[in-house]
Amino acid sequence: LAKTTQPISMDSYEGQEVNITCSHNNIATNDYITWYQQFPSQGPRFIIQGYKTKVTNEVASLFIPADRKSSTLSLPRVSLSDTAVYYCLVGDFYGGATNKLIFGTGTLLAVQP
Amino acid sequence: GAGVSQSPSNKVTEKGKDVELRCDPISGHTALYWYRQSLGQGLEFLIYFQGNSAPDKSGLPSDRFSAERTGGSVSTLTIQRTQQEDSAVYLCASSLPSSEQYFGPGTRLTVT
Repeated sequence: LAKTTQPISMDSYEGQEVNITCSHNNIATNDYITWYQQFPSQGPRFIIQGYKTKVTNEVASLFIPADRKSSTLSLPRVSLSDTAVYYCLVGDFYGGATNKLIFGTGTLLAVQP
Repeated sequence: GAGVSQSPSNKVTEKGKDVELRCDPISGHTALYWYRQSLGQGLEFLIYFQGNSAPDKSGLPSDRFSAERTGGSVSTLTIQRTQQEDSAVYLCASSLPSSEQYFGPGTRLTVT
């Protein structure tokens, strides 16, 4: 599974758009990019997954450039309840033997009022 | 059930005792995973089940750790002769084949 690098922490204010970038220089052809969100005392929750270009759902957007060596999770108009740790994962989730998730330390997003 | 459930939610045990942690996956999910999260750290993969078999046990930290799954549903993670370094939150996740994983709330284990 490809190693990922993301900022340890970010600060934002309510109503702002937040962009969290993840670097994955060694991404393989079959790898997908997946983001999870984790609140204190809870298990991680799947947010979004993509392979290339742009993916959007009701929660977030995921932007992936053509070289796929990085990706950006975009959270529109954050609220206090978006304060959480956000994990970027890269792997062959649809063909791997186990699909086990390798988590880094994630990005702690702190949203201020 | 609506989601993955785990029990107990909290467990305090004395060093040297054995503990059992239980995971009830989402009905119909064939894949089941155990992870461990130490305070302030990311998640560490422990073991993966597909049905009742465990093709990947590579994350189990020592032979004191074992897990089983019966009937393709409930799984139990057992830690024998617990040590203080075993203190962590143990998370279980389940999924359909090659699909996103749904996590339970975890069991917080404290070894005193």
